[in-house]
Amino acid sequence: DIVMTQSPDSLAVSLGERATINCKSSQSVLYRSNNKNYLSWYQKKPGQPPKVLIYWASTRESGVPDRFSGSGSGTDFTLTISSLQAEDVAVYYCLQHYSLPLTFGGGTKVEIK
Amino acid sequence: EVHLVESGGGLVQPGGSLRLSCAASGFTFSSYWMHWVRQAPGKGLMWVSRLNTDGSDTMYADSVKGRFTISRDNAKNTVYLQMNSLRVEDTAVYYCATGDVGKRAFDMWGQGTMVTVSS
Repeated sequence: DIVMTQSPDSLAVSLGERATINCKSSQSVLYRSNNKNYLSWYQKKPGQPPKVLIYWASTRESGVPDRFSGSGSGTDFTLTISSLQAEDVAVYYCLQHYSLPLTFGGGTKVEIK
Repeated sequence: EVHLVESGGGLVQPGGSLRLSCAASGFTFSSYWMHWVRQAPGKGLMWVSRLNTDGSDTMYADSVKGRFTISRDNAKNTVYLQMNSLRVEDTAVYYCATGDVGKRAFDMWGQGTMVTVSS
């Protein structure tokens, strides 16, 4: 199984400041035949289902604010919130779709400082 | 508009059974692989199972293999999760999810249904 390790477990950021979340996979999730990383990012708020923010590691889902961006390739990935807003308080998860079983990172809780 | 609506959750004793349903609308259900994902109280997300478009290919997380069965009825636009031999650790909100194969991500989720396994 591919193990997804997120860091940090939580972080507190001031409004308008940058938040950076890391996700590391135990093996590459880059599919060489199409050069795509099978890695997506989700935002989870209490009482709501997860919401996809980023897929293919760096493609922003339609309707997601452009302050959210994804980067990385192979085994190391980053989700960046460039200017934290109050509505961004949530837990963020990475997910690999490269192989079964699909595996999520442990989650990163983002709060306002 | 796309909708996924889960039902069937509830309180069950350890060793009991439940069948969850997820009714889909607003998209061509028969063209989408379907998944179940769960979140235990205070814990992270965990993938549970997936099913291909015609129901012939199933996969499960090791922790539920042999106890859970995923199936679908494309005529009813519904996917099911039959859960047998339930354990306390199966207590969770269960979500059905799917997505555009071109994204390899879950861009459609239900609201979830709570399953509580307790004596």
